[in-house]
Amino acid sequence: SQTIHQWPATLVQPVGSPLSLECTVEGTSNPNLYWYRQAAGRGLQLLFYSVGIGQISSEVPQNLSASRPQDRQFILSSKKLLLSDSGFYLCAWSPIRGAGANVLTFGAGSRLTVL
Amino acid sequence: RKEVEQDPGPFNVPEGATVAFNCTYSNSASQSFFWYRQDCRKEPKLLMSVYSSGNEDGRFTAQLNRASQYISLLIRDSKLSDSATYLCVVNNPLEFGNEKLTFGTGTRLTIIP
Repeated sequence: SQTIHQWPATLVQPVGSPLSLECTVEGTSNPNLYWYRQAAGRGLQLLFYSVGIGQISSEVPQNLSASRPQDRQFILSSKKLLLSDSGFYLCAWSPIRGAGANVLTFGAGSRLTVL
Repeated sequence: RKEVEQDPGPFNVPEGATVAFNCTYSNSASQSFFWYRQDCRKEPKLLMSVYSSGNEDGRFTAQLNRASQYISLLIRDSKLSDSATYLCVVNNPLEFGNEKLTFGTGTRLTIIP
């Protein structure tokens, strides 16, 4: 069966510090991978999605970046965090095609507080 | 108009009652529809897909109205464990055959004993 791991679960970072969130998927090949952010009291906002290694599409201009160095690894980074980067970050995967395509499975999330 | 719009609630409903949520979407080209459930401070989890003819899963019934561009979720005989935020999710076709799922902001449901 497929599993998705995301870490760290919680972090508190000062403004201007760097960020790295990591996500890995097991039990599947060539998944679509996604990073979402959920700010307090708001809906999920798609930040990045990837359909393959090295292929990253950005949905919202910001000071965040994403990378996919391996098929099942997705990393969210920032060089300098802003207060507005605080939120609940969720990694997700979906099958690239076939049964279950478009069905997202989320990781447990990373709760970021920028002070 | 928002891509996906939901009544945020909160809905406070006595245990055993029936409750219904609606969700409207703006893109008539959307083809896939889902309801996700999100517990407090947890990740969203798929509750059910929504099919054109409507579908049922136990106490949950989902319906799609393409002409009016809305989907609905009906929960019968509500349980305390149904308390959660329910997210409406719609796919939006992108270029090059890709698709993007758009989430509503969610409807918060609290079942009261």
